[in-house]
Amino acid sequence: DAGVIQSPRHEVTEMGQEVTLRCKPISGHNSLFWYRQTMMRGLELLIYFNNNVPIDDSGMPEDRFSAKMPNASFSTLKIQPSEPRDSAVYFCASRRGRNSPLHFGNGTRLTVT
Amino acid sequence: DQQVKQNSPSLSVQEGRISILNCDYTNSMFDYFLWYKKYPAEGPTFLISISSIKDKNEDGRFTVFLNKSAKHLSLHIVPSQPGDSAVYFCAASARGFGNEKLTFGTGTRLTIIP
Repeated sequence: DAGVIQSPRHEVTEMGQEVTLRCKPISGHNSLFWYRQTMMRGLELLIYFNNNVPIDDSGMPEDRFSAKMPNASFSTLKIQPSEPRDSAVYFCASRRGRNSPLHFGNGTRLTVT
Repeated sequence: DQQVKQNSPSLSVQEGRISILNCDYTNSMFDYFLWYKKYPAEGPTFLISISSIKDKNEDGRFTVFLNKSAKHLSLHIVPSQPGDSAVYFCAASARGFGNEKLTFGTGTRLTIIP
């Protein structure tokens, strides 16, 4: 079991550029979550999918953020255009069912200058 | 609006003693609570959970206590070991109400002093 795989581990980009974060959930898991971690707000839920369908995106900060899950083994979180305040660690997590705990990837540290 | 609060950003405990991490919540619909542990440069890992029908759940050195009337839960680690040094996140969901979202606190950094 390879766990949840996120790429890249680190991303440094300039303000205004497009950023794409990638996630491969654990095989067999049917729910996928994107979280953002900051010092001030801790872990904030951005969006989650059940069976590849977005269920709740109320945590997405604004229209600059979008997420897709084209199939059960891949999801992306895109920021366009990026801003310095988007700098944070972004985590992807998956689980097998609603009664199972979340399994997190190791995160992508995003720095926007 | 922080629905799950961990008011202590950090805690230091002597090795072998008890570590007590606290968490408060405001949403009375929360009925399922979890603790996650996070090491630097890694994602959080699940530690222990408790449903609102219980007031205590134990797993080895880890025990979680839930006080529903006070909207408070705590994680006890006995005895504390150096490998327990990490950031601990409290999380909650309103699972029985069909809400699968996990709301996390801001975390408490636990340092075990050898």
